[in-house]
Amino acid sequence: IVMTQSPDSLAVSLGERAAINCKSSQSVFYSSNNKNYLAWYQQKPGQPPKLLISWASTRESGVPDRFSGSGSGTDFTLTISSLQAEDVAVYYCQQYYNTWTFGQGTKVEIK
Amino acid sequence: EVQLVESGGGLVQPGGSLRLSCAASGFAFSNSVMSWVRQAPGKGLEWVSVISNSPFNIYYADSAKGRFTISSDNSKNTLFLQMNSLRAEDTAVYYCAKFYSSADSFMAYWGRGTLVTVSS
Repeated sequence: IVMTQSPDSLAVSLGERAAINCKSSQSVFYSSNNKNYLAWYQQKPGQPPKLLISWASTRESGVPDRFSGSGSGTDFTLTISSLQAEDVAVYYCQQYYNTWTFGQGTKVEIK
Repeated sequence: EVQLVESGGGLVQPGGSLRLSCAASGFAFSNSVMSWVRQAPGKGLEWVSVISNSPFNIYYADSAKGRFTISSDNSKNTLFLQMNSLRAEDTAVYYCAKFYSSADSFMAYWGRGTLVTVSS
């Protein structure tokens, strides 16, 4: 399964909304349990990735509620509702429906 | 608290071998699903291998099949990655990562990584 993110980078003003799209080459929705096998990670410079969201929309404990995940099937979105300076990072989507594949990453910067 | 500490990286010549280790603590290692994920300099993330002890399963990315071997020592709470026939394109930071569970099959916890450089 190929994961394609868009855009590759975006610059957003502090307090504004940022949206990152992720498209899978085939559906990652498993009908038997009604779940999308899609996760989002944040990676800041010099740090390992950090899990933000699993099952397409379940936010990890401690992750600010300005981060949200949506979508189903093959199209997903990570939204940062009000960008903060500490959100500058590269964001990756990942499918875990059939082994594991990451998107190429989206770099988020401050405008 | 889950802690994962990788070691064993370094400079190796093309065709050489290296064994990475990941010391785990803060959770029941023997029942866990563990993985190696790598990141080439300035590039994205690529899963390399996954091992589950209960039930026992091992997975390899195509790039690792036939050259890399994942294993674990439950008595020492340590994960390993034996890498043979190394190529320049294997140069990367190698992260050890733990899944939440076999059902929650995503990388919930990550170590800080160890750098492998393949160069003559």
